[in-house]
Amino acid sequence: GESVGLHLPTLSVQEGDNSIINCAYSNSASDYFIWYKQESGKGPQFIIDIRSNMDKRQGQRVTVLLNKTVKHLSLQIAATQPGDSAVYFCAVLLGGYQKVTFGTGTKLQVIP
Amino acid sequence: GAVVSQHPSWVICKSGTSVKIECRSLDFQATTMFWYRQFPKQSLMLMATSNEGSKATYEQGVEKDKFLINHASLTLSTLTVTSAHPEDSSFYICSARAGRPYGYTFGSGTRLTVV
Repeated sequence: GESVGLHLPTLSVQEGDNSIINCAYSNSASDYFIWYKQESGKGPQFIIDIRSNMDKRQGQRVTVLLNKTVKHLSLQIAATQPGDSAVYFCAVLLGGYQKVTFGTGTKLQVIP
Repeated sequence: GAVVSQHPSWVICKSGTSVKIECRSLDFQATTMFWYRQFPKQSLMLMATSNEGSKATYEQGVEKDKFLINHASLTLSTLTVTSAHPEDSSFYICSARAGRPYGYTFGSGTRLTVV
């Protein structure tokens, strides 16, 4: 089965600095990856996604990098703001995008 | 667009009673919805995949007789926790695939507390 994990459970970042959140996955057949942000007591919110035929995708202040060779992806947040404080999950999809497996989660704390 | 509404947002029930949680796709149709369970400071664990007009597919270790799922229409799936016990207390979240650019959209979650 698929397992997804994160390297760092908690990340503290100074406001204005860049944040990098990492995620490792185990199944090389995984072909769609999503980053979610979850604030306390709420459901996950879509941030950005990437397919396995790409190695980089950019959004507004966020960039996702995918390294299929080592089965690793990362989420970069530029100019981190207090509103970015949340738990971030990577999600990996298998089997025709039907089953979503979530990573452990990284709590991002932004220091004002 | 692509809003998933979950109700109630929180519920407290007595041990031994049943609780129903609703998940609605407000502006799109969802033939498939997903139910997750999340304990404090943990990740989301997929419980089951809800299929409109057919039986749900449960993940290994999830009791189908305890967590009843009904997906009677293209916009509504329900999760009923039967004979709830304190260990069932958790945050339950539903999700549906809305298609690009929205992808998998999640409800706001239901906090269940069994006393």
